[in-house]
Amino acid sequence: DADVTQTPRNRITKTGKRIMLECSQTKGHDRMYWYRQDPGLGLRLIYYSFDVKDINKGEISDGYSVSRQAQAKFSLSLESAIPNQTALYFCATSDFGGDRENEQFFGPGTRLTVL
Amino acid sequence: RKEVEQDPGPFNVPEGATVAFNCTYSNSASQSFFWYRQDCRKEPKLLMSVYSSGNEDGRFTAQLNRASQYISLLIRDSKLSDSATYLCVVRTYNNNDMRFGAGTRLTVKP
Repeated sequence: DADVTQTPRNRITKTGKRIMLECSQTKGHDRMYWYRQDPGLGLRLIYYSFDVKDINKGEISDGYSVSRQAQAKFSLSLESAIPNQTALYFCATSDFGGDRENEQFFGPGTRLTVL
Repeated sequence: RKEVEQDPGPFNVPEGATVAFNCTYSNSASQSFFWYRQDCRKEPKLLMSVYSSGNEDGRFTAQLNRASQYISLLIRDSKLSDSATYLCVVRTYNNNDMRFGAGTRLTVKP
């Protein structure tokens, strides 16, 4: 079984709709992240969390919100989706302390299309 | 200017070739450096960390030049299975997050 899972894997929605992407992990890591990947731009950090109820903005947080209600779960919401939020979204986790913080483990990704 | 820049490629090389990728970063406060590998339609996975003294892992060699803010990855004796996109990643402790390059695409052909 995958250590980091994301649901849904694919989603097509319309402009203005509210969307929630879910991420779950069994690695026991405290740190979780949400990224989006666009062609030619690489991965960009949206939000990250170092513990339950801890939320930090990343590079591109506008238009997104997150919730960390449990260590194993980190959800990303688009309150009112717009077409330029069409992208591949990745959740990731990392351990805490020294070099263990350096490796991030990614989920399989969610491909979101906003029409 | 992007914080981490890579030549997007694509690099098309025959099996057995040696290929090198370069990456430059703009933030002089950056502390940690990595190469991640991403297969088509898959998630990124850590390939190797990059240390100041340079480091090697089998056919892969990574180099760091802090003065020029430059990172490289050398792959020797390329295999078909090396075909992927290679992401240069830089971490700055000040903001405690990672910045990813857009990736360099490699295709190894028989």
